[in-house]
Amino acid sequence: AQSVTQLDSQVPVFEEAPVELRCNYSSSVSVYLFWYVQYPNQGLQLLLKYLSGSTLVKGINGFEAEFNKSQTSFHLRKPSVHISDTAEYFCAVSVGGGYSTLTFGKGTMLLVSP
Amino acid sequence: EAGVAQSPRYKIIEKRQSVAFWCNPISGHATLYWYQQILGQGPKLLIQFQNNGVVDDSQLPKDRFSAERLKGVDSTLKIQPAKLEDSAVYLCASSPPDRTNTGELFFGEGSRLTVL
Repeated sequence: AQSVTQLDSQVPVFEEAPVELRCNYSSSVSVYLFWYVQYPNQGLQLLLKYLSGSTLVKGINGFEAEFNKSQTSFHLRKPSVHISDTAEYFCAVSVGGGYSTLTFGKGTMLLVSP
Repeated sequence: EAGVAQSPRYKIIEKRQSVAFWCNPISGHATLYWYQQILGQGPKLLIQFQNNGVVDDSQLPKDRFSAERLKGVDSTLKIQPAKLEDSAVYLCASSPPDRTNTGELFFGEGSRLTVL
């Protein structure tokens, strides 16, 4: 079975600073990888996804992530954060095939302060 | 297009009472999921439907939780009787046919349950 580890439960950062949210996964087969964002009292919104091809994927709101198969990682980055980026970020993995299901990490709370 | 609709958004009940949550997926999405998100944790899959059939309910506590999707469109998740540890946000998600094999999901805003 697959699993996801988000190494930081909380990441405080100042506005306009760069940020990296870390995600590592475990799976014995090829995976699809996702980052979702959850704003307070809202559902989850897809930020970006890796299905195949280029290992650097770009998403909404200026976020990007890089799939590293040897490190089994899919870290999320943004070069300059805004106050509005304050939210919970979830990394998720699926193994594909048939009716695939997502397994989520515990989440990382990104706290952006002025 | 309209997103995944869920109701109620908030519900407060006492332990041993029952509660039901409703979900209407995005039109054309054959696969529907219910996830449980406990405070401080990531969402955990409870049940997955393909049309009106159950694909995976291995993590559904069947002694108190039940779910149905009778006509292959909207779905209801019921908890009876509720326990304190059932306090959580219940997220409904759906997936279109061309995304089902990758696991990409579209989520509703969730139903927050507080059990006192």
